[in-house]
Amino acid sequence: EAGVVQSPRYKIIEKKQPVAFWCNPISGHNTLYWYLQNLGQGPELLIRYENEEAVDDSQLPKDRFSAERLKGVDSTLKIQPAELGDSAVYLCASSQGRTNSNEQFFGPGTRLTVL
Amino acid sequence: GDSVTQMEGPVTLSEEAFLTINCTYTATGYPSLFWYVQYPGEGLQLLLKATKADDKGSNKGFEATYRKETTSFHLEKGSVQVSDSAVYFCALISGNEKLTFGTGTRLTIIP
Repeated sequence: EAGVVQSPRYKIIEKKQPVAFWCNPISGHNTLYWYLQNLGQGPELLIRYENEEAVDDSQLPKDRFSAERLKGVDSTLKIQPAELGDSAVYLCASSQGRTNSNEQFFGPGTRLTVL
Repeated sequence: GDSVTQMEGPVTLSEEAFLTINCTYTATGYPSLFWYVQYPGEGLQLLLKATKADDKGSNKGFEATYRKETTSFHLEKGSVQVSDSAVYFCALISGNEKLTFGTGTRLTIIP
């Protein structure tokens, strides 16, 4: 079974430029998550989707960040414009449901460096 | 709000040593508790979990017991191997359905 796929794995951009990350969840997983992981910290949730609906985006900085999950499968996370402080690893995860014990499967992440 | 506090690293041990990584939590209600592991160059993987008080999660020789009275979920392994070198994250999900992580503990096992 293929895991969660993310691309690109690494991205280096200059500040004020736009950037986008792509995630393909495990087949059949209707819940998709985007997390931000700063160096030396644990992941923090940015947004959670149930199918194509964003059910929790309270931690997403909406002035510069946006996300979409058209057709309830793949998802993209965009930053425009990027700032120096956005340098981090962006993780995507998926799960079959939304109960508390459901395992979330994580992708390898996209490491973003903003210069 | 929910929070997870885990032992700061890095932790360096010799092969076959006993491992404990402490984890305590604050949460509303009755959370489910998890340990995730991140091997070098790989994504986070679920190592073990426990969903109610006194449950013991176990996998790959690692164990952790859900202690409601001390709000703890310490990770233990009796004899570590070089291949256990990784970053370990304690996490919980409570009523808000949000996975809350600790800051991670980097473990290095030397032969």
